[in-house]
Amino acid sequence: QKEVEQDPGPLSVPEGAIVSLNCTYSNSAFQYFMWYRQYSRKGPELLMYTYSSGNKEDGRFTAQVDKSSKYISLFIRDSQPSDSATYLCASTGSARQLTFGSGTQLTVLP
Amino acid sequence: EPEVTQTPSHQVTQMGQEVILRCVPISNHLYFYWYRQILGQKVEFLVSFYNNEISEKSEIFDDQFSVERPDGSNFTLKIRSTKLEDSAMYFCASSGGSHSYEQYFGPGTRLTVT
Repeated sequence: QKEVEQDPGPLSVPEGAIVSLNCTYSNSAFQYFMWYRQYSRKGPELLMYTYSSGNKEDGRFTAQVDKSSKYISLFIRDSQPSDSATYLCASTGSARQLTFGSGTQLTVLP
Repeated sequence: EPEVTQTPSHQVTQMGQEVILRCVPISNHLYFYWYRQILGQKVEFLVSFYNNEISEKSEIFDDQFSVERPDGSNFTLKIRSTKLEDSAMYFCASSGGSHSYEQYFGPGTRLTVT
């Protein structure tokens, strides 16, 4: 499976800002898209899961997938200092092996 | 809330030694995975396991690696003869039934090979 490319960051925003995190992918077989949050030397924590194209909202988080352009986004509204972490996008097809982006390090400044 | 657990949290071993990393997946999940993350690099897929057999494996997962589900709860990764380049964080993950693709990760085992 081909790579998933992710904006490397680091990204620094003031508290309360809207954060936009983005990835692109090249494998047309990818149908399942996930966003994970990872703190330093910890395991990835699943934030959002999306099947195929469309939007999904969960509290302050919105995930968007545009399969026509192979573009994946995560929006964080009203960002908090506790949102400071590395955010990983990941995709897979029916084979289930996740292909991860390199991660974007986000810092939300109080 | 159910979670994936892993032991040990940190393992130090000498080059050439065998190590076994242990995982307890979420109890009603059917698919199990191992990933690794070398410091500063991407999370990489190693192997997936379903119905007591390997379903997919990556190029990284060579003959030095093996996986086993020795009982109804544990899932292990064995590295037979460790190399310096095996030093990494190893993550276990699990996902539910045939229509469930979300993978839940454990906290990881940091393997240091000296």
